[in-house]
Formats: sequence, C-alpha cells, structure tokens
Amino acid sequence: AQRVTQPEKLLSVFKGAPVELKCNYSYSGSPELFWYVQYSRQRLQLLLRHISRESIKGFTADLNKGETSFHLKKPFAQEEDSAMYYCALSGKSSYKLIFGSGTRLLVRP
Amino acid sequence: DVKVTQSSRYLVKRTGEKVFLECVQDMDHENMFWYRQDPGLGLRLIYFSYDVKMKEKGDIPEGYSVSREKKERFSLILESASTNQTSMYLCASSQNLGTSGTSYNEQFFGPGTRLTVL
Repeated sequence: AQRVTQPEKLLSVFKGAPVELKCNYSYSGSPELFWYVQYSRQRLQLLLRHISRESIKGFTADLNKGETSFHLKKPFAQEEDSAMYYCALSGKSSYKLIFGSGTRLLVRP
Repeated sequence: DVKVTQSSRYLVKRTGEKVFLECVQDMDHENMFWYRQDPGLGLRLIYFSYDVKMKEKGDIPEGYSVSREKKERFSLILESASTNQTSMYLCASSQNLGTSGTSYNEQFFGPGTRLTVL
C-alpha cells in the first residue's frame, strides 16, 4: 500500500536549535517525494522536492531509499519557520499526491 | 504566478442542504483536485479531474460529486450536507506531466474554504 507517515503531530524547538521533521513512506517503485508547507493564514505551497536536491529557506531533505525516509532538516530554526509541514509522494507517472498527516513545527523565541 | 481561487473562505450550511464549492485556476492547468484537510488526518483526496468532463474518485468520494464543464473551473458538490462533512476544503491544480519537460507534478493550492455544517 502507498502510504506516507509523519510520526510527530507537533514538534517544538527553540530558536537556533536544529530541527528534523520525520517522514517515512511505503511505495512499490521509485516515488517522487515532496515537502509542502502551510504558514498561518497562507495557502499550502511546495517547499522542496527530492529530485531538485535544493535547499530552500535553509531546509534540506535527503531521500534514503534503504530506510524509505525523506526527513526535512534545518540546522538553525527561526521563528518564521513555525508552520504546518506535510510530506507527500507521487509515482513517476501519476498526477496524484499522497500526503502524510502533517507535523506542526513551533519555534519558540 | 499561478492563481487558484475558491469562491468562499467561510461557509455555514444546514444538514441536508446542497452545497457548491467552486474553484478556478488561471494557468491553463489540465489537472484539478479537491481535498479535505482535517487535523491529524492531513489532506485526503476527494476527487480529481485530468481533463474537461473527466473525473476520477479519490480516497474519500462518498457523499461528494464534482463537475468540470470548463478547463479552468472545478466544482465540488455536497448533495446533502452532513455534520461529518464539516472541514477545510482545498482545491489544487497542476500541469500534465512532461508538459514543461519536468518529471514531477507540483500542485498549486487555493486558500481553502472552511465549511461548517450545522
């Protein structure tokens, strides 16, 4: 079965601390992985995708096929990173995204 | 800049009413989606459409129907609203795969409609 698991509903860290939002997936084949973010009172938007291997707003995510994980990391969290984060996957020839249940990140001053 | 708009930000309806949620995108995207967003459950796909008049069921289609008469517009219909359909509804759109030479499909979301059914 295709599934995305985000084990933490809430992650609370202090400003300047490292942050890691966990994402594990189940998929038979080679999926494409994404992180979407929703800031307060804003629409859901793409943060980054694994095939781009990019760093956005200081966040990175590495696809680990052996552990079927795609954890989102940032070395020094900022208060403006506080938001809801969703991990998602799609098959290479699929229009659909499968979302995890989301993790709320709270960065305290 | 892709713009996806939804007809209402907040909607309050009574049990048994017929409810229409409208979504419009202005980037000529082929694919459109309706999700509901609930705390602890994430986003769940209700229906999607990959072309005008074409639709496919998502993971939770029961109690919903959709209509896509024009490429830019995708409507979600609750034939007889029930209290368990109280939720945030998100619309999204995306290009067809490979249209721009890419192998991924970024979805662009609307601001959402918070529906309360009393």
